[in-house]
Amino acid sequence: DQQVKQNSPSLSVQEGRISILNCDYTNSMFDYFLWYKKYPAEGPTFLISISSIKDKNEDGRFTVFLNKSAKHLSLHIVPSQPGDSAVYFCAAFNFGNEKLTFGTGTRLTIIP
Amino acid sequence: KAGVTQTPRYLIKTRGQQVTLSCSPISGHRSVSWYQQTPGQGLQFLFEYFSETQRNKGNFPGRFSGRQFSNSRSEMNVSTLELGDSALYLCASMRSNEQFFGPGTRLTVL
Repeated sequence: DQQVKQNSPSLSVQEGRISILNCDYTNSMFDYFLWYKKYPAEGPTFLISISSIKDKNEDGRFTVFLNKSAKHLSLHIVPSQPGDSAVYFCAAFNFGNEKLTFGTGTRLTIIP
Repeated sequence: KAGVTQTPRYLIKTRGQQVTLSCSPISGHRSVSWYQQTPGQGLQFLFEYFSETQRNKGNFPGRFSGRQFSNSRSEMNVSTLELGDSALYLCASMRSNEQFFGPGTRLTVL
């Protein structure tokens, strides 16, 4: 039972354009959502997060949107840069059991 | 501050063997989680240890086990290896709701 889903395994975006990565979840009890970025041969690194009581959080070129009614979150990267090419994982955290559940990941390729 | 370290970084084993992977969390972090990453499956949660006790467990067979020591260092063991166990095994130490990942151990089962 995949509680956190990223339905697009890959995405290609032209440099300078906006990259939009999507994530859907099924468990309404999640309290916190996070995005991680992963380069090959490295562990994932934290990118940006959002509390379930908010609908938007912005940090430089990265913005995360949360739509609780649709159980959907998205990560916007604008403008996209070649260094953004990586695998992006969304994750959902439950304060009750302190468990972090990851999605399957989306490979983002920025085309110069 | 040193990050999460994992040893070994690469490992090749054959079917039927067993393997032990090690993880040292960030100093002061008491929670250690283990994940398996395979293409198409994303990050699958294996288990989490907190203060030497298993606090959460994923849906993996009993061949996968772990433990945590008093210094918070953790080990993961996989017995009777199968070809499908080939993956990147990631360890993460957690503070509050943020996890810090190690570089992973790439296990190849032949």
